Amino acid sequence: GNSVTQMEGPVTLSEEAFLTINCTYTATGYPSLFWYVQYPGEGLQLLLKATKADDKGSNKGFEATYRKETTSFHLEKGSVQVSDSAVYFCALSDLGDDKIIFGKGTRLHILP
Amino acid sequence: NAGVMQNPRHLVRRRGQEARLRCSPMKGHSHVYWYRQLPEEGLKFMVYLQKENIIDESGMPKERFSAEFPKEGPSILRIQQVVRGDSAAYFCASSPSRPANTGELFFGEGSRLTVL
Repeated sequence: GNSVTQMEGPVTLSEEAFLTINCTYTATGYPSLFWYVQYPGEGLQLLLKATKADDKGSNKGFEATYRKETTSFHLEKGSVQVSDSAVYFCALSDLGDDKIIFGKGTRLHILP
Repeated sequence: NAGVMQNPRHLVRRRGQEARLRCSPMKGHSHVYWYRQLPEEGLKFMVYLQKENIIDESGMPKERFSAEFPKEGPSILRIQQVVRGDSAAYFCASSPSRPANTGELFFGEGSRLTVL
C-alpha cells in the first residue's frame, strides 16, 4: 500500500539556518505529493504541492522537488525564522484512492 | 468566509461514556474527512464521507466508532463506550471535490478528547 516516511524530529535550528526535512514515499501509481504545516493549537494547512515528476512546489520560502527516481520530496528552506516553528507533514494522494496519506510529522524548533 | 468548524474543541469523558464530535465543512464543500492524531504519532485516516454517504471507512475501528454526514447539518463522529486509548486529537477536513484531484484538504482546529 501507499505510505510516507519522513525524518523524525524534533529538529532544532538557529534562526537563519538552512533547513532540510527528508520525505520518501511508496506508491503503486503516480501520486501527487504535498507538505502540510501545523502551527501550535491549529489544524493543518497546505504549504506546497507537486503533481508530477520533477515539479517543484514552493511557498513562503519553502521548496520541495518531486524526485521519482529516488521516490523523495524533501522540504528545504534557505533561511528559517522563529515563526517557522511548527510540525511539518509530508503527504501523498494517488489517483483512484480517495485517501490522503500523511507521514508522522516532523517537529521543527527555531531558536532566536 | 468561515473555515472548517469543529466542536467541541475540548471534550472530557469518563470510560464507558459516549463522545460526539461535530464538524461543519467550509461552505460549498461536500467532501469530509476525519483523521485521528495520537500523541507523538502522525495523522491517521479514519473515514471519508460525502453528503449522506460513507465512501471509505477503512480507517475506522470496527467497533464503537461511527460517522455520518447527513443532508442537513454537520458531520458527526461518534465514539461509544470510550476507553483511555481513544484520547487523541480528532481532525476534520473538507474539500469541494475529490481531494485526490487537487490534494488540498482544509482542516479544522481539531477536537481534543480526553478519557479519564
